[in-house]
Amino acid sequence: QVQLVQSGAEVKEPGASVKVSCKPSRYTFTGYYIHWVRQAPGQGLEWLGWISPNSGGTKYAQNFQGRVTMTRDTSISTAYMELSRLTSDDTAVYYCARGTIEPSCSNNHCFFFDYWGQGTLVTVSS
Amino acid sequence: DIVMTQSPDSLAVSLGERATINCKSSQSVLDSPKNKNYLTWYQQKPGQPPKLLIYWASTRESGVPDRFSGSGSGTDFTLTISSLQAEDVAVYYCQQYYSTSSATFGRGTKVEVK
Repeated sequence: QVQLVQSGAEVKEPGASVKVSCKPSRYTFTGYYIHWVRQAPGQGLEWLGWISPNSGGTKYAQNFQGRVTMTRDTSISTAYMELSRLTSDDTAVYYCARGTIEPSCSNNHCFFFDYWGQGTLVTVSS
Repeated sequence: DIVMTQSPDSLAVSLGERATINCKSSQSVLDSPKNKNYLTWYQQKPGQPPKLLIYWASTRESGVPDRFSGSGSGTDFTLTISSLQAEDVAVYYCQQYYSTSSATFGRGTKVEVK
């Protein structure tokens, strides 16, 4: 069974940065995009962007341009999402999710997600 | 960005009865030459990540019970639970993936047992 295991909860002060890791298993890491989605307490889902583990290419949501950085380390099959200049509005559960492969999507990579990590709670508080 | 609007925000349905959730996109998510609607539905239970239910607007993900069905095209879509079970209590989200610059979700519909 495919799994995505994320790093543990974080507490950060306003203005700091946080880096969350996501380690997939039981599939070829470089074969599928990794997307990041967050969910503020009691709220809906917000997409942050994706990274191609194969090429390292990224695409970020406009709302997060300049503040989010997605990277990967293919030697340990792990993806990372770093968010900087944190404010209380960034308090949320951050999920990584695997993008799907379908021939009808651009470059065969679809922006819907068949497997998700367990989520990482990031709390921003002074 | 394509805006996704779900309705209602919440609904309460008796066990065994039908639940219907609507989702409207601010622009069409239909790729006419491919005849595919780039619309998906997720189910999220408390404390869990979302679970993929439906993609291409009407294709059920493997393992999803057939009481879940998706329909619609263009800008208007529906998720139907034909006979609500206790384990279906959750929040349901639609999401478009037509845009290659962003994926956007609806605000969610909470389904409860009446």
